[in-house]
Amino acid sequence: AQSVTQPDIHITVSEGASLELRCNYSYGATPYLFWYVQSPGQGLQLLLKYFSGDTLVQGIKGFEAEFKRSQSSFNLRKPSVHWSDAAEYFCAVGGYSSASKIIFGSGTRLSIRP
Amino acid sequence: KAGVTQTPRYLIKTRGQQVTLSCSPISGHRSVSWYQQTPGQGLQFLFEYFSETQRNKGNFPGRFSGRQFSNSRSEMNVSTLELGDSALYLCASSLEGRERTDTQYFGPGTRLTVL
Repeated sequence: AQSVTQPDIHITVSEGASLELRCNYSYGATPYLFWYVQSPGQGLQLLLKYFSGDTLVQGIKGFEAEFKRSQSSFNLRKPSVHWSDAAEYFCAVGGYSSASKIIFGSGTRLSIRP
Repeated sequence: KAGVTQTPRYLIKTRGQQVTLSCSPISGHRSVSWYQQTPGQGLQFLFEYFSETQRNKGNFPGRFSGRQFSNSRSEMNVSTLELGDSALYLCASSLEGRERTDTQYFGPGTRLTVL
């Protein structure tokens, strides 16, 4: 069965420090992977997506993610976080039968230490 | 281009009542999906509509239903509300929803509280 695991429930980093959020997936075929961000009280905003090709994907707001098939991982990174990055981050895998049925991870809440 | 809009943003209902939530997709998008987000269960897929037809369905009871109109706007209805239905309901739209490269864009959600 398809699944997404985000092992870190809550992470705190200092402003200006680097960030890596972990994501592992289980999928029977070539995965289609996404990272979404959700600010408090808001909907989900797409940060980046991976379908094929270059395994290092650039997204908005200075984020990037690297697809590693051998490790079934799609970790999100940012070299220097800003206080405005505090939010909840969701890794997701595209639905098997259509684009609509996305399977989400449980999310990682990011706090920024001033 | 305007994003996905959802109305109302907040709702308070009591157990046993029913509720209807509305979603207007991005102009030109024909696929609309609904998700429920709760602290305990996370984000779960409810159903997807395309061309006024339900195309995919998640594992929710029949109390949860939806429809799509010819202009692609969608509504979801929850009948006989239970306390556990309290959640953020998110709507997402995409162009066709067929290809896995077709990205979904989410609305801000409707926060439903059942008392």
